This record gives sequence, C-alpha cells and structure tokens, in this order.
Amino acid sequence: KAGVTQTPRYLIKTRGQQVTLSCSPISGHRSVSWYQQTPGQGLQFLFEYFSETQRNKGNFPGRFSGRQFSNSRSEMNVSTLELGDSALYLCASSREAGTNTGELFFGEGSRLTVL
Amino acid sequence: GNSVTQMEGPVTLSEEAFLTINCTYTATGYPSLFWYVQYPGEGLQLLLKATKADDKGSNKGFEATYRKETTSFHLEKGSVQVSDSAVYFCALLPRGSYIPTFGRGTSLIVHP
Repeated sequence: KAGVTQTPRYLIKTRGQQVTLSCSPISGHRSVSWYQQTPGQGLQFLFEYFSETQRNKGNFPGRFSGRQFSNSRSEMNVSTLELGDSALYLCASSREAGTNTGELFFGEGSRLTVL
Repeated sequence: GNSVTQMEGPVTLSEEAFLTINCTYTATGYPSLFWYVQYPGEGLQLLLKATKADDKGSNKGFEATYRKETTSFHLEKGSVQVSDSAVYFCALLPRGSYIPTFGRGTSLIVHP
C-alpha cells in the first residue's frame, strides 16, 4: 500500500514568487492536513481538508491556501513568498472510517527555500 | 487552549542507556495522547498512543503511560540503540477533534 506522496521534495524560490505543493494521500484516506515545520516554531497546523471542503484552518495569513480534489489529492499554495516561509511542509492523511483513531500518516515533506 | 510541553533537546545518550523524554499537556476533557517519531529526512510516523487514563502504549521497546493526575505522557525505553536517533514529538487529540496539537519535538542522539 503506497504511503503519502508529496511533490516536489525540494524547491528553491525567490521572494515574491508563488509556489504550489502537491500531496497524494493513502488510498481510501479522505482527510488531508498540512503542517509547516521550522526549527524555531516546530510543527504548526496550516489547514485540513475533508471531502473537498476545508474543515479546519490554522493561524496563517491568507497567502497560504489549499484545496482538495475529488480523488482526495490536495494542493497548497503560498503566494508572495517571504524569507520566513522557508520550511519543511508536511502533508498528512487519515482514514476516518467510523471512529477517528487520531493516527496521522505523514509524507516525507516538501522542503521550500526562499532566497 | 490545548498545549503540549516537551523537554528541550538534544538528549544525548550512549548506546544501551535508559531513555526518558518528558511530556506534559494541558487540555479540556480527556484527549488521546500520541508519540510520533521523525527520522532524518523523513516525515513523522506514529510510535505509540494511549486513549484513556492509565493506558500504556508500547512499540519497538518504547513505552508511555497516560497519567491523568499529572497530565503527563513520558516516553521511556530501557536500552536505546544508535538507530533510535531521531526527533520525538508528543501530541494530543481532543475528543471529537481531528487536529492534533504537537509539542516542539525533542531530538535524541545516541552514540555507539
């Protein structure tokens, strides 16, 4: 069973540009969430999607957005990049069949460097 | 609000030493508690979990017990290996929520 797949794994952008990151969840998983990981702030929740709807949102500016497609694949977009957006962006999926077990399955992340 | 506090790292140990990584939490009600591990260059993966008071989660020689009276979920292992070197995250999930709250992570370095 394939795991959570994130693309691209590494990317370098310059300030002011925009970036789109992609996440394919484990087959059958309908919930996809995104996290930003930095050495200074740790893991910070960005947003969560379920059945193409944003169900939860963290405290990030509107430059950060996302969406989920009918096949549960998700993308997140960051516009007008700032140096502080340099981070590892992690995607996680979960099953949610019946009772939520709470377990998240993470991808390996997309490491974004903003110059 | 909900929060998780972990001991700051890095924790540096010699192989076969005893490991404790402290984790305390603040939450309303009775959340589920988790330990995730992140090996270098990888995403997080679930190590163990406990869903109610006095439950003990265990996996790969690691253990943690859900202590409601002290709001703690400390991670322990009797004999660490070099391959255990990673970052360990404590997390809580409130009842009825789908979004865990993570601690800042504790880096473990095990020397041969």
